[in-house]
Amino acid sequence: DGGITQSPKYLFRKEGQNVTLSCEQNLNHDAMYWYRQDPGQGLRLIYYSQIVNDFQKGDIAEGYSVSREKKESFPLTVTSAQKNPTAFYLCASRREGQANTEAFFGQGTRLTVV
Amino acid sequence: AQSVTQLGSHVSVSEGALVLLRCNYSSSVPPYLFWYVQYPNQGLQLLLKYTTGATLVKGINGFEAEFKKSETSFHLTKPSAHMSDAAEYFCAVSGVQGAQKLVFGQGTRLTINP
Repeated sequence: DGGITQSPKYLFRKEGQNVTLSCEQNLNHDAMYWYRQDPGQGLRLIYYSQIVNDFQKGDIAEGYSVSREKKESFPLTVTSAQKNPTAFYLCASRREGQANTEAFFGQGTRLTVV
Repeated sequence: AQSVTQLGSHVSVSEGALVLLRCNYSSSVPPYLFWYVQYPNQGLQLLLKYTTGATLVKGINGFEAEFKKSETSFHLTKPSAHMSDAAEYFCAVSGVQGAQKLVFGQGTRLTINP
């Protein structure tokens, strides 16, 4: 089955630690995205990538970093600079250059700071 | 800035009643519009989308939406609510802030009363 896999489903982080969220897709999509979801705030774009080895900041990139070394993978690192990292994180992918196509989402990772 | 506004963060209807979830967008050109559904602790699933052509769009699970350019709206409806429709619904727009960005509304939580 084609799709997007996010891991882990639940993640706990201590204050001051960096953590990395995994996102893998086998849809052969060029574009990949990371969104953060907080109650009542919808989805906010953190980073996106349209092609391997290239990515752009979204609306709330501070305290996060990404890499795109392979087409299939777009990991997100939540750094210690992110002051309020507790949230639900969603990864998505989409065919590049196709604004009329939908994004496909993973099942999400819930990150909690302990 | 381009945006999506969902009127009502929480909508409650009785089982069998009409479901109406409101979405308005701001754009200087006709955008591409999407409705997604999210069940608790899961990713987003596409319900339907409007790109071009017929302004009344039918989606999965009996939902439909009508694109009204004059009202800049894309409201989601379902004639008869089912208990399984209880979820959060997101309206999204594309093609207005760079072809690769999907901008989401704040979401509407739909509750179905027995």
